[in-house]
Amino acid sequence: GENVEQHPSTLSVQEGDSAVIKCTYSDSASNYFPWYKQELGKGPQLIIDIRSNVGEKKDQRIAVTLNKTAKHFSLHITETQPEDSAVYFCAAILFNNDMRFGAGTRLTVKP
Amino acid sequence: GAGVSQTPSNKVTEKGKYVELRCDPISGHTALYWYRQSLGQGPEFLIYFQGTGAADDSGLPNDRFFAVRPEGSVSTLKIQRTERGDSAVYLCASSRTGADTGELFFGEGSRLTVL
Repeated sequence: GENVEQHPSTLSVQEGDSAVIKCTYSDSASNYFPWYKQELGKGPQLIIDIRSNVGEKKDQRIAVTLNKTAKHFSLHITETQPEDSAVYFCAAILFNNDMRFGAGTRLTVKP
Repeated sequence: GAGVSQTPSNKVTEKGKYVELRCDPISGHTALYWYRQSLGQGPEFLIYFQGTGAADDSGLPNDRFFAVRPEGSVSTLKIQRTERGDSAVYLCASSRTGADTGELFFGEGSRLTVL
């Protein structure tokens, strides 16, 4: 089955700085890679995703890059704000719609 | 309702008891997923339904865990002879057709505590 590794487990940045979270996956058949944000007491919420035929995708202050050869993908948040503080999860999906998550990164943005 | 609804939001039970957790997905969503999330961990896949059938139940940890979705909408996760290690937040998510074609919408979870 798919194995998704995520790091770092915690990340603290100053407001306005950039944050980068990295994930690797094991199954070369995986073709869809979403990122979810989870706030305390809530379920995860999709913030951005990328498919295997694309190398990079951007949406305002967040971007995701994918390297299929190396089997890793990254989330980039620029100009971080205190409201970006949350736990972020990467995920990868198998051909059978089975989606597996990384262990999460707790991001803290200090004002 | 507009989102995925899970009940109960909190459940405290004693070791050995039977528990049912319910998920009401977004209307019209054919795909439904159950995950388990322990403190400080990512969601751990349990089972995925496409319509009424379990397309993949490989994540169920043992035969004490069972899930049904008899009419292709509401799903119930059933845990028999609960153990302290079953304590976690159980998350349900739905998708229009499947996770590969669109977003998974998560509920707020059912927090299970086994004493």
